[in-house]
Amino acid sequence: DIQMTQSPSVLSASVGDRVTLSCKASQNINKNLDWYQQKLGEAPKLLIYFTNNLQTGIPSRFSGSGSGTDYTLTISSLQPEDVATYFCFQYNSGPTFGAGTKLELK
Amino acid sequence: QIQLVQSGPELKKPGESVKISCKASGYTFTDYAMHWVKQAPGKGLKWMGWINTYTGKPTYADDFKGRFVFSLEASASTANLQISNLKNEDTATYFCARPGGGFDYWGQGVMVTVSS
Repeated sequence: DIQMTQSPSVLSASVGDRVTLSCKASQNINKNLDWYQQKLGEAPKLLIYFTNNLQTGIPSRFSGSGSGTDYTLTISSLQPEDVATYFCFQYNSGPTFGAGTKLELK
Repeated sequence: QIQLVQSGPELKKPGESVKISCKASGYTFTDYAMHWVKQAPGKGLKWMGWINTYTGKPTYADDFKGRFVFSLEASASTANLQISNLKNEDTATYFCARPGGGFDYWGQGVMVTVSS
């Protein structure tokens, strides 16, 4: 099974900060990775698909990058409404989610 | 507009069974698979597997083989998840999700509580 390790597990940042969330796979996942945002009590929302494709309707401050085993979600300027937990999801083989990064306001 | 509407919350005792539904609207049901995702209280997301809505063939993640069954009522554009012999650790919210370049549409989730 492919393990997905997200870091940090909790991130505190200020409004306007550039925020970087990491997701590392235990083996090459060939960019087959999505990012989801989940707010408390809600269903997850797709932000980025296939590593770097912004889902329709998602603000352009969100971006994704990566290859091989290392992937990143970047928020260029943190907004209050971005407080949420972020999950990566690999579907290269035996699909798995990462454990999540909880993003808080400082 | 595209929607996935799931059935309501369930309270069950250990050993009982539960069947939850996910009704799709706004698109051709058989054009997209349906995936299922589990989220235990306060925990992360766990992919359970998926069902081919055209053929009805299910695929289960290793941790969900045996007591979990994905099924369809294609004429009603509905996917179902049945869990038998419920255990305390099945207490969770269960989501259905449509894959369309990522899981672009999700149901609202069904909270299943297993308690004696």
